[in-house]
Amino acid sequence: ETGVTQTPRHLVMGMTNKKSLKCEQHLGHNAMYWYKQSAKKPLELMFVYNFKEQTENNSVPSRFSPECPNSSHLFLHLHTLQPEDSALYLCASSQVEGTYEQYFGPGTRLTVT
Amino acid sequence: AQKVTQAQTEISVVEKEDVTLDCVYETRDTTYYLFWYKQPPSGELVFLIRRNSFDEQNEISGRYSWNFQKSTSSFNFTITASQVVDSAVYFCALSTSGTYKYIFGTGTRLKVLA
Repeated sequence: ETGVTQTPRHLVMGMTNKKSLKCEQHLGHNAMYWYKQSAKKPLELMFVYNFKEQTENNSVPSRFSPECPNSSHLFLHLHTLQPEDSALYLCASSQVEGTYEQYFGPGTRLTVT
Repeated sequence: AQKVTQAQTEISVVEKEDVTLDCVYETRDTTYYLFWYKQPPSGELVFLIRRNSFDEQNEISGRYSWNFQKSTSSFNFTITASQVVDSAVYFCALSTSGTYKYIFGTGTRLKVLA
């Protein structure tokens, strides 16, 4: 595997379900990000992890819970979601220092019913 | 305040036409980075280019070229002889020195018609 991978690619869940999104980067980066992309809205940064430490939480509701066990893996745990949480969730990684290019995964298309 | 504006929401061109996507940014920092990303229908954002604030040289890569002008705070992207495969949403982003967070524009959807 190369680059940034995300699983699953598509997820349909009910409002009472609990599920997790997984992201893995194979680029040797030390920062990882979760973004939310809704229709007709700008990309929203949700969380940032820098060397496994969370450094940013952009006022994200507690029904989204991130986990970063190491610098290569990032999870987003979901529970009690709302229909408005339906969106494309993108993971990205980058070096913390330098020129900051972020490399994105293919995203998970989440539908909350 | 930092901001990225992509005023063109959607552009449609016929194949082989040239098209320019506009990006205007705001920042008070003297050191910053500008980026362009392409998001095809598959969803993944693909990195196209990075430009730092001290390098105003224009860049050409195949059919793609970028015009960075600090005087107008613009970083425009031109596709020459567009192709159907260029159809995507294109995002401009800004990152300032000392931070690895991006400020994205709202994107421009480009449709290239055969």
